[in-house]
Amino acid sequence: GPKVLQIPSHQIIDMGQMVTLNCDPVSNHLYFYWYKQILGQQMEFLVNFYNGKVMEKSKLFKDQFSVERPDGSYFTLKIQPTALEDSAVYFCASSFRDNSDYTFGSGTRLLVI
Amino acid sequence: GQQVKQSSPSLTVQEGGISILNCDYENDMFDYFAWYKKYPDNSPTLLISVRSNVDKREDGRLTVFLNKSGKHFSLHITASQPEDTAVYLCAAGQGGSAKLIFGEGTKLTVSS
Repeated sequence: GPKVLQIPSHQIIDMGQMVTLNCDPVSNHLYFYWYKQILGQQMEFLVNFYNGKVMEKSKLFKDQFSVERPDGSYFTLKIQPTALEDSAVYFCASSFRDNSDYTFGSGTRLLVI
Repeated sequence: GQQVKQSSPSLTVQEGGISILNCDYENDMFDYFAWYKKYPDNSPTLLISVRSNVDKREDGRLTVFLNKSGKHFSLHITASQPEDTAVYLCAAGQGGSAKLIFGEGTKLTVSS
């Protein structure tokens, strides 16, 4: 079936540096999401994005986080500056409608040292 | 608070048996319910979903039961096979909000 591609699969970065996580969603999907999963914990909603705008974000979506999808290219999550507690697996997902079936990527494992 | 909860972190079932995975939720405005399977590459993949206007949906060996008054839904896997071994995530969402809330996951092991 259609897939969501996440690049890179792994990233190690020094604390304070900037990181950009990339997501190539399913081509006809209109809604895009980022979730964060810390090791051993449940996957938690960060933010959703539709029609070029953030619709909703959780309290985990700190001021250092931003998302965009310029001109239908990658849907990106940028963290600037990174902190140790940003170490987690970040999952991207997309869906055709809201409140409906998601397609997930395989995640980006981010380690901030 | 924890809006969607899977109280069993793990479950072991004999091959050929029925696996029953449970999920409880708090928000009675949820109207979409889903089960995802986490594959070895770690990507959650949708197995089956239901809207709140039905209380049961079957798809092959999978059946979702929805108990709205009890704020509970479950996934039944009949004729469980070793390849069903994985982490299963339940999720729920509310109309008008493009945001699924996930449970912590239940690790199912099907032993042969």
